[in-house]
Amino acid sequence: KQEVTQIPAALSVPEGENLVLNCSFTDSAIYNLQWFRQDPGKGLTSLLLIQSSQREQTSGRLNASLDKSSGRSTLYIAASQPGDSATYLCAVNRNRDDKIIFGKGTRLHILP
Amino acid sequence: DVKVTQSSRYLVKRTGEKVFLECVQDMDHENMFWYRQDPGLGLRLIYFSYDVKMKEKGDIPEGYSVSREKKERFSLILESASTNQTSMYLCASSSTGGMDTEAFFGQGTRLTVV
Repeated sequence: KQEVTQIPAALSVPEGENLVLNCSFTDSAIYNLQWFRQDPGKGLTSLLLIQSSQREQTSGRLNASLDKSSGRSTLYIAASQPGDSATYLCAVNRNRDDKIIFGKGTRLHILP
Repeated sequence: DVKVTQSSRYLVKRTGEKVFLECVQDMDHENMFWYRQDPGLGLRLIYFSYDVKMKEKGDIPEGYSVSREKKERFSLILESASTNQTSMYLCASSSTGGMDTEAFFGQGTRLTVV
């Protein structure tokens, strides 16, 4: 059974720092991996999608990498800002028409 | 822009009521999902559907049913609401076609059962 783990559960860093969020999964047979952001009381916003054949994706200050063989993904945030404060979740699926399995997220707080 | 719209942002229902949560997507996505989110437990899949009239149980289907009569609409039904179903409910959709299989979420429905 696929399990997705995100460590740490919470992280506080000063504004301006670069940071890395980690995601690991137990079954490397994934179709894709997606990173989401969630603000308190809101739905999830998609940040980046990495197909299983890809190694990384970039959007603005965000860069997500995928190492399928080791069951790991990282989300790199450059030059962090207070507006980046949110919970970040990663999720994987086995096939394009299969369920999506989530980690419990990392709650990020950027200190002004 | 992909839009996934949930019918209510907040709902308060009484124990024993039958509750309908509606979700509509406008991108012709094949897959639709219902999750609930609780503190410390993360997102747990209730049901998902990969096509009209098709459904599969997720991790916690007990006490819930779903309906997908049209491609764009996926309904979650609480047959007899109980206080332990107080939660945030999140609907999502994704495509099975091509390379763009990104999942999109609605804004969530905060359900309180009293």
